[in-house]
Amino acid sequence: GQNIDQPTEMTATEGAIVQINCTYQTSGFNGLFWYQQHAGEAPTFLSYNVLDGLEEKGRFSSFLSRSKGYSYLLLKELQMKDSASYLCAVMDSNYQLIWGAGTKLIIKP
Amino acid sequence: IAGITQAPTSQILAAGRRMTLRCTQDMRHNAMYWYRQDLGLGLRLIHYSNTAGTTGKGEVPDGYSVSRANTDDFPLTLASAVPSQTSVYFCASSDETSGSYNEQFFGPGTRLTVL
Repeated sequence: GQNIDQPTEMTATEGAIVQINCTYQTSGFNGLFWYQQHAGEAPTFLSYNVLDGLEEKGRFSSFLSRSKGYSYLLLKELQMKDSASYLCAVMDSNYQLIWGAGTKLIIKP
Repeated sequence: IAGITQAPTSQILAAGRRMTLRCTQDMRHNAMYWYRQDLGLGLRLIHYSNTAGTTGKGEVPDGYSVSRANTDDFPLTLASAVPSQTSVYFCASSDETSGSYNEQFFGPGTRLTVL
């Protein structure tokens, strides 16, 4: 079966750095996505990785290792507005997204 | 309108009733999707459409039907609602013609409660 694993909840301090991990087992791989979802709102796109390595976009970076079936999202200089759920999703061989349950990130002052 | 709209925002429905959730996008995206989101679970694909006139089944299609008469609209119908269909429903769209990856844009969601 297909499976995406990520921690249920994480807590971090404002101004700090946090790393959210995602491991996956899917039938085929056509890229990995990270989305942010604030409570009661729709998911919004953060990043996409299809090749191994680190993609940096401002305070957010995403890393991929295809051989290990592993990705992480790195958030720097945390702000209170970063409190949200972070969803990892893998595009499988049928070009459909398989979603993890999401990691709820709590930022404390 | 800009982006994707969904209607209604929320709905309480008696079991056995028929319900259509509406979704409209103005980005001229060829692909559209319906997901349900339940606490503790990832988004699960119900149905999708790669282009107007075609539809496909996702991971959890039972009890749901869709149609894609044109590019902009992708309604989801529950023929006879059951309590297990209580969920938040998201419609999404993507441009499958634009390049190497397919970012999906999401509507604001419909919160459906079936009693």
